[in-house]
Amino acid sequence: GQQLNQSPQSMFIQEGEDVSMNCTSSSIFNTWLWYKQDPGEGPVLLIALYKAGELTSNGRLTAQFGITRKDSFLNISASIPSDVGIYFCAGLAGNQTGANSKLTFGKGITLSVRP
Amino acid sequence: NAGVTQTPKFRILKIGQSMTLQCAQDMNHNYMYWYRQDPGMGLKLIYYSVGAGITDKGEVPNGYNVSRSTTEDFPLRLELAAPSQTSVYFCASSYSGRTEAFFGQGTRLTVV
Repeated sequence: GQQLNQSPQSMFIQEGEDVSMNCTSSSIFNTWLWYKQDPGEGPVLLIALYKAGELTSNGRLTAQFGITRKDSFLNISASIPSDVGIYFCAGLAGNQTGANSKLTFGKGITLSVRP
Repeated sequence: NAGVTQTPKFRILKIGQSMTLQCAQDMNHNYMYWYRQDPGMGLKLIYYSVGAGITDKGEVPNGYNVSRSTTEDFPLRLELAAPSQTSVYFCASSYSGRTEAFFGQGTRLTVV
């Protein structure tokens, strides 16, 4: 089946630092999504990417849809303590209309930010 | 703005008991999903539905059943609870198969 690879499992950074997370796959995806999950909550969408090569920002977050459609990255700039959480990448495959499309998740990266 | 609502938030079941996890969305989304989340394992798809009356298996469907009689509701049924089904369950919905999914707050289930 389709798999998304995220590593390492945990990252530890100092407040104010930038951090980059990658997500790779051996399969092609038509849509890439980045979610953040706080403890005890459901995942919340951060950024959605719909076209190969697309670069999108949301405040201090920037994400890119890889040209090969097999990878994506998320950058967080000037980290703050509330950036702590689990960051998941997710991909949508399926055909042009989205039929039979299933959302596949990576295992997530737990980010810790030291004040 | 309710979005995706899951009930209950917490539940403890004894082995062999059955229960239904409820999920409702008020965004008129066609697609709905059930995931389970285990520590360090990400989210695994149990079942999904592309519209009322249509359901399909995901990656880990064994031990679960679903139905989709209306656009709004997508309940997940556990018939004979087993300890391996101890997990956090998330319901999600999306407008189409090419758009982002929105998640509920989860149901934490413990089977003892």
